[in-house]
Amino acid sequence: TQLLEQSPQFLSIQEGENLTVYCNSSSVFSSLQWYRQEPGEGPVLLVTVVTGGEVKKLKRLTFQFGDARKDSSLHITAAQPGDTGLYLCAGDGGSTLGRLYFGRGTQLTVWP
Amino acid sequence: EPEVTQTPSHQVTQMGQEVILRCVPISNHLYFYWYRQILGQKVEFLVSFYNNEISEKSEIFDDQFSVERPDGSNFTLKIRSTKLEDSAMYFCASRRLAGRDTQYFGPGTRLTVL
Repeated sequence: TQLLEQSPQFLSIQEGENLTVYCNSSSVFSSLQWYRQEPGEGPVLLVTVVTGGEVKKLKRLTFQFGDARKDSSLHITAAQPGDTGLYLCAGDGGSTLGRLYFGRGTQLTVWP
Repeated sequence: EPEVTQTPSHQVTQMGQEVILRCVPISNHLYFYWYRQILGQKVEFLVSFYNNEISEKSEIFDDQFSVERPDGSNFTLKIRSTKLEDSAMYFCASRRLAGRDTQYFGPGTRLTVL
């Protein structure tokens, strides 16, 4: 079993602050996906990172894949209340079949 | 934009009853998955399906579970005799290609077993 540990589990910040969410594992993943999930809904894909050291930006969100492809981070600049949600990382173990291993998620709350 | 759809959105059943959860994956996708998420816990893999057969299943996917692609568009998960601990959100996902291609998730079916 390939485990992904996300931290922090909960994050409560004021609008305008910056934050970083971490996703760590002792296993190597061929790719890692970040999803955002609203209550009672399915995970919605934010980004997929594939290459060790890769950095991808999505407006105020910056995603990084570690050089060894074992960890990843999500950094949000100037957080807004609309960023509130559950952020999940999920690793692809690398088999052709593509089973994803999910972290527990980081529940982010941004207060106006 | 194409999306994965699931029905019903909420299913309530009595313990011991059979339930069928339905999914319509994105039309040109070839790989199909079921995951579940018990309230407050992480999303867990159940089964993957390709070329009309199960490719991989987790330890959760025991003899009470089965999957089927009865036609060219639907993908179903059947639980033969539901238990209280089967109460969870069930998500269907699909992807087009093998390897590092992205999985797209449906909105989920909330299953409540009484």
